[in-house]
Amino acid sequence: DGGITQSPKYLFRKEGQNVTLSCEQNLNHDAMYWYRQDPGQGLRLIYYSQIVNDFQKGDIAEGYSVSREKKESFPLTVTSAQKNPTAFYLCASKSRDRQFGNQPQHFGDGTRLSIL
Amino acid sequence: AQSVTQPDIHITVSEGASLELRCNYSYGATPYLFWYVQSPGQGLQLLLKYFSGDTLVQGIKGFEAEFKRSQSSFNLRKPSVHWSDAAEYFCAHAGAGSYQLTFGKGTKLSVIP
Repeated sequence: DGGITQSPKYLFRKEGQNVTLSCEQNLNHDAMYWYRQDPGQGLRLIYYSQIVNDFQKGDIAEGYSVSREKKESFPLTVTSAQKNPTAFYLCASKSRDRQFGNQPQHFGDGTRLSIL
Repeated sequence: AQSVTQPDIHITVSEGASLELRCNYSYGATPYLFWYVQSPGQGLQLLLKYFSGDTLVQGIKGFEAEFKRSQSSFNLRKPSVHWSDAAEYFCAHAGAGSYQLTFGKGTKLSVIP
């Protein structure tokens, strides 16, 4: 079945350490997204990519970096510059067609990142 | 700026009772509107979407939503709630041609047996 796979499910980071969250999709979607979710704050957009080798900052990009070398993959690196990284991270993808706006985003099951 | 408001942070209903979750959006043109559901520790699942046509849309799991342009609302309803509906519900919208979704902060639904 097609879908989005996020790994690992749980991740722990030490102070000063960079960590990378994986997101892979086999839906043949062009657009991919990373969100951060904190209790009571809904979903906030970190980065998004409309096409391979291109990505844009979202609302809370500071302390994060991404790459989009393959259509299927959009990894997120949480750098040591992100002072409060403990959160639930969600990856999503979306079809890019003529009526782009009405296409829903499809979500992975998330990665929970915690500080040791 | 686009925004989505879900006025109710937490709602508790009895099993078998009806449910309405409120959503208001701020956007000049007709938006594309979505409702998602999230179980604890899981990703978001699409319940339904609206982009044109009939203002009453049917979704999965017996949910429906009604788009009311005059009230800038897209409320989610279910006639009879089941215990398995306990989850968090998010309303979201996108502008025409937009790559981004704007999410509300969510409404947590608890169901009393």
